[in-house]
Order: sequence, then C-alpha cells, then structure tokens
Amino acid sequence: GENVEQHPSTLSVQEGDSAVIKCTYSDSASNYFPWYKQELGKRPQLIIDIRSNVGEKKDQRIAVTLNKTAKHFSLHITETQPEDSAVYFCAASYSNDYKLSFGAGTTVTVRA
Amino acid sequence: SAVISQKPSRDICQRGTSLTIQCQVDSQVTMMFWYRQQPGQSLTLIATANQGSEATYESGFVIDKFPISRPNLTFSTLTVSNMSPEDSSIYLCSVESDTQYFGPGTRLLVL
Repeated sequence: GENVEQHPSTLSVQEGDSAVIKCTYSDSASNYFPWYKQELGKRPQLIIDIRSNVGEKKDQRIAVTLNKTAKHFSLHITETQPEDSAVYFCAASYSNDYKLSFGAGTTVTVRA
Repeated sequence: SAVISQKPSRDICQRGTSLTIQCQVDSQVTMMFWYRQQPGQSLTLIATANQGSEATYESGFVIDKFPISRPNLTFSTLTVSNMSPEDSSIYLCSVESDTQYFGPGTRLLVL
C-alpha cells in the first residue's frame, strides 16, 4: 500500500516568516495530494490540494508543489500568523478509490 | 461542501463493552470512510463503508472488531466491539464529495 512520510515533525517559526513542510510518497499510481490542518480538538480541515496533472497550486498565503518524478510534494505557508499554529497532515490517494494515506503530521507553532 | 455530524461526540466506556458511532451526511454521497486517530497520532483508514454491501477493511482491521453498516447514501455506523483501553481514540467518518470532508469525530476513552 501507499506509504507517506512527512518532515519535519515539529516546526517553530517567527510570525511573518515562511513555513515549509515536505512529504514523500511511495506509490507512483497516487494522483491526488491534499493537505489538512487540524487545530486542537477539531476535525481535520482541507486547506489545499493538488492533482498529479498540476505542478503547483496557490491559494493566498498557501501553496503546494508536486514533483511526480521524485514523488514528493510540499506545503508552503508565507507570512505566517499565530492562527496558522496547528498540526498539518499531508495525504495521498489514488482517485479511483479515494482512500487517503496520511503522513505523520507536522506541529507548526508560530511565535508572535 | 458536505455537512457531516457524528454521534456521540464523546464517550467513556468500560472494557469488554461495545459502542456504536453514527455518521450522518446532509446529502447523498457514494464514498464514506471510517478513520481512527490515536492520541497524538495521524489518521489511519479503518474501512470503506459500502452502501448495500459489506465494508472493505484495511490491513489490521477486521469486521468482528469494527462492524460497519451503510443502509443508505447518507448514513453509516461503526461499532467498536469488545473494547480495550487500546481502542481509546478519536473515530472520524469522512465522505468523498469532490474532495474528502471529515466529521467532527467521536472521542472514545476505554477504562
């Protein structure tokens, strides 16, 4: 099955700086890569996703890049704010079955 | 986006008992899933809840321990059977509707 590795496990950044989280996946058949944000005690919320026919996608301060050849994808958060503090999970799936394999998560702390 | 509710939101149970968790969606969806999130950990897929047929379980999860029902396209239940403290987790249902949305989760503590 799919194996998703995520790094780093924790990330502390100064407010206003950028944060980058990287994930690698093992199954070359995977073609959908969502990122979820989970605040303490809350459900995971989708913040951005990318499909394998696209190399990069941006939504305001958040961007995701995908390198299919290297089988890795990254989340970039610019101009970080305290409300960006949360656990972020990457995931991968094959669009025919929609089953998500998650990375271990990254705890992001934005220092004011 | 789909609106998903789960009942109960949390429960404390004694070992050896069973708990049934309900997941309700506000629209018909083809794909529904059940995930487990152990304390401080990531999400792990338990099974795909198939409407009108038996659920499809992932490696490490079996029907006897986690029976699942899916009577229609808006509702599913997950039962955690013969519980032990190791079953203490958050159980989340999710639905696929262009992208995957999660329910609020059921926080289970087994004593």
